[in-house]
Amino acid sequence: KNEVEQSPQNLTAQEGEFITINCSYSVGISALHWLQQHPGGGIVSLFMLSSGKKKHGRLIATINIQEKHSSLHITASHPRDSAVYICAVSLHTQGGSEKLVFGKGTKLTVNP
Amino acid sequence: DTAVSQTPKYLVTQMGNDKSIKCEQNLGHDTMYWYKQDSKKFLKIMFSYNNKELIINETVPNRFSPKSPDKAHLNLHINSLELGDSAVYFCASSQGRSGSRSYNEQFFGPGTRLTVL
Repeated sequence: KNEVEQSPQNLTAQEGEFITINCSYSVGISALHWLQQHPGGGIVSLFMLSSGKKKHGRLIATINIQEKHSSLHITASHPRDSAVYICAVSLHTQGGSEKLVFGKGTKLTVNP
Repeated sequence: DTAVSQTPKYLVTQMGNDKSIKCEQNLGHDTMYWYKQDSKKFLKIMFSYNNKELIINETVPNRFSPKSPDKAHLNLHINSLELGDSAVYFCASSQGRSGSRSYNEQFFGPGTRLTVL
């Protein structure tokens, strides 16, 4: 079982819909990242959070440390939001170095 | 200016060959990483370097040898390429310092698609 589980794996929505992608993790973490991978392959960091909620434009990320769960919300979705959204958790190694452990991603398609 | 750059973007080669992928970051970051994304799009860390020192090696076959000539560069050399090495390889960097136990945003390069025939 992967340490980071995302749902759903695939998501199709109509333009304007409210989107929610969920991420659960089974290990103690220092932070959680939401990444976006464009159809062209590039990866962009959307959010990094260790508690509460962050908002950037139409995107909102929340995390509940006690429940080991995070959600990424997209309001008023648009076809340009179509991408793979990846949840990743920051773990520290014994030497204090940080490494990311990734979920398998959620492929979002927003139709016009 | 590109923050994290990789070359080449595409690499097609025969089994058994040796190849290198180069990565450079101009963000002044201390830590650099190599990740492998397999055919199912699953990302996994391979290596991490902090200020030219190897700090994470995730049980990668020793045919893979990272080299960091300075903290702005982290190159990946692969010997005796195998079919299973076909993947997209991403370089990334972050401001993290070894031992600091801080967490940091990571900046990714555009990826190198390696195809082994």
